[in-house]
Amino acid sequence: EDQVTQSPEALRLQEGESSSLNCSYTVSGLRGLFWYRQDPGKGPEFLFTLYSAGEEKEKERLKATLTKKESFLHITAPKPEDSATYLCAVLGPNFGNEKLTFGTGTRLTIIP
Amino acid sequence: DVKVTQSSRYLVKRTGEKVFLECVQDMDHENMFWYRQDPGLGLRLIYFSYDVKMKEKGDIPEGYSVSREKKERFSLILESASTNQTSMYLCASSPLGDPANYGYTFGSGTRLTVV
Repeated sequence: EDQVTQSPEALRLQEGESSSLNCSYTVSGLRGLFWYRQDPGKGPEFLFTLYSAGEEKEKERLKATLTKKESFLHITAPKPEDSATYLCAVLGPNFGNEKLTFGTGTRLTIIP
Repeated sequence: DVKVTQSSRYLVKRTGEKVFLECVQDMDHENMFWYRQDPGLGLRLIYFSYDVKMKEKGDIPEGYSVSREKKERFSLILESASTNQTSMYLCASSPLGDPANYGYTFGSGTRLTVV
């Protein structure tokens, strides 16, 4: 069974203080690892898909990286508007079973 | 701008009621999903559908059913609502083909309270 563990559960940073969020996963064959951002009371918003170890993707102050066991979401010089819950999810190997398995998320708070 | 629209943001229902949650997407996507989200448990898949009139059980289908009569609409049905079904319900869609090539698109969610 696919499993995703995110850490830390919550993270408070000063504005401009860079850090990383971790997503550890277990899946028999990874078709994709997804990062989402979720604001309170809203649905998740897609950020990135990573497919293979060594891959990196960037969007503004966010950079996602992938190894065979985990993914990191690096946040560089964050701003208060980056405050949100960040969710990681994996898609397993079986075509036709399009279920995403999610972690419980990291709640990020950026203090001005 | 592509959209997944959930008909209600907030619902309050009584125990034992039959509850319908509606989801409509305007992207002509084949795949549609219903998740529930609870603190500490994350998002869990209830049901998904890869075509009209087709459905597959997810991880927690008990107490739920679904209906997909048209490609754009996917309904979640709570046959007899119970308090442990109080949750945030999220609908999502994705196109046919390898979903790893696409980000799933989520709706804004329906927060259901069963009293």
